[in-house]
Amino acid sequence: KQEVTQIPAALSVPEGENLVLNCSFTDSAIYNLQWFRQDPGKGLTSLLLIQSSQREQTSGRLNASLDKSSGRSTLYIAASQPGDSATYLCAVFDDDIQGAQKLVFGQGTRLTINP
Amino acid sequence: DVKVTQSSRYLVKRTGEKVFLECVQDMDHENMFWYRQDPGLGLRLIYFSYDVKMKEKGDIPEGYSVSREKKERFSLILESASTNQTSMYLCATRINYGYTFGSGTRLTVV
Repeated sequence: KQEVTQIPAALSVPEGENLVLNCSFTDSAIYNLQWFRQDPGKGLTSLLLIQSSQREQTSGRLNASLDKSSGRSTLYIAASQPGDSATYLCAVFDDDIQGAQKLVFGQGTRLTINP
Repeated sequence: DVKVTQSSRYLVKRTGEKVFLECVQDMDHENMFWYRQDPGLGLRLIYFSYDVKMKEKGDIPEGYSVSREKKERFSLILESASTNQTSMYLCATRINYGYTFGSGTRLTVV
């Protein structure tokens, strides 16, 4: 059974720092991996999707990498801002009948950027 | 971009009531999912559907059922609501390679 772990569970840094969030998964036979952001009481907003054939994706100040062989992904946030404060969730695509590819989530990293 | 709409942001229901949570997507996607999110337990899959009238159990289907009569709408049904079903419920759809989630329904059962 696929298990996803995110470290650290919480992180607090001053504004302007570059930071890395980590995600590991137990079964390397994944299809894709997606990073999400969740603000308190809200739904999930997609940040980056890395397909299984890719090694990284970039969007603005965000960069996500994927190393399937080691079962790891990292989310790099450059020049952090207070508006980046949120919970960041990593999810891997786990194959299922009919190819629905359900998501298996980590517990998330709660990020606080201090002005 | 695909839009996933959950009809209610907040709901308060009484124990024993039958509760319907509605989810609508606007892009004719085949795959739709219901998750619940609880502190310390993360997001867990309740049910999913890969086509009209087709449904599959997820990891925690007990106490829930679903309905998908039209491709754009996927309903989660709590047959007899209980206090342990108080949670945030999130609907999602998948197209091509990525997931899109709705804004969530915070359900409180009293």
